[in-house]
Amino acid sequence: KQEVTQIPAALSVPEGENLVLNCSFTDSAIYNLQWFRQDPGKGLTSLLLIQSSQREQTSGRLNASLDKSSGRSTLYIAASQPGDSATYLCAVGTGYSTLTFGKGTMLLVSP
Amino acid sequence: EAGVTQFPSHSVIEKGQTVTLRCDPISGHDNLYWYRRVMGKEIKFLLHFVKESKQDESGMPNNRFLAERTGGTYSTLKVQPAELEDSGVYFCASSRQLAATDTQYFGPGTRLTVL
Repeated sequence: KQEVTQIPAALSVPEGENLVLNCSFTDSAIYNLQWFRQDPGKGLTSLLLIQSSQREQTSGRLNASLDKSSGRSTLYIAASQPGDSATYLCAVGTGYSTLTFGKGTMLLVSP
Repeated sequence: EAGVTQFPSHSVIEKGQTVTLRCDPISGHDNLYWYRRVMGKEIKFLLHFVKESKQDESGMPNNRFLAERTGGTYSTLKVQPAELEDSGVYFCASSRQLAATDTQYFGPGTRLTVL
């Protein structure tokens, strides 16, 4: 059974810092890995999707890496801004349809 | 292009009552998924439709939950009778293709409270 763990559970940083969010999963037989963002009371917004054959994906200030063999992914946020404050969720595609989620990292970026 | 929409946004019901949640996927998306997040837990998969057919319903908790997608467009998730432990946020998602490269687009969720 796939399990996804995200560390830390919460993170508070001052504006401008670079930061790393961590995600680990127990079964390396995955189709893909996605990072989502959730704002309070809102749905999930997909940030990056890494296919199982890829090592990383980049979008703007965001960079996500995937190491299948060690069961790890990181989301790197450069030059953080208050607007980045949200909960970040890691989800592993473990079947044609199933996403297995971690509990998320709650990020607060203060001005 | 309109996103995934869900109705209602909030629902408060008494234990034993029935509630029906609705999801309208992005137009043209054959794949529709239901997920649930209960308090303090991670989001968990419930089931997956491909058009009107149930592809995977391994996450459905019990037979009090019934999902339908008549005509392959919108979907409903009925809980009957509702129990206290059914409280949580129910998310719907859709995707165009069934592939490792395809992103699932999520709706805003329906917050269900069972008293």
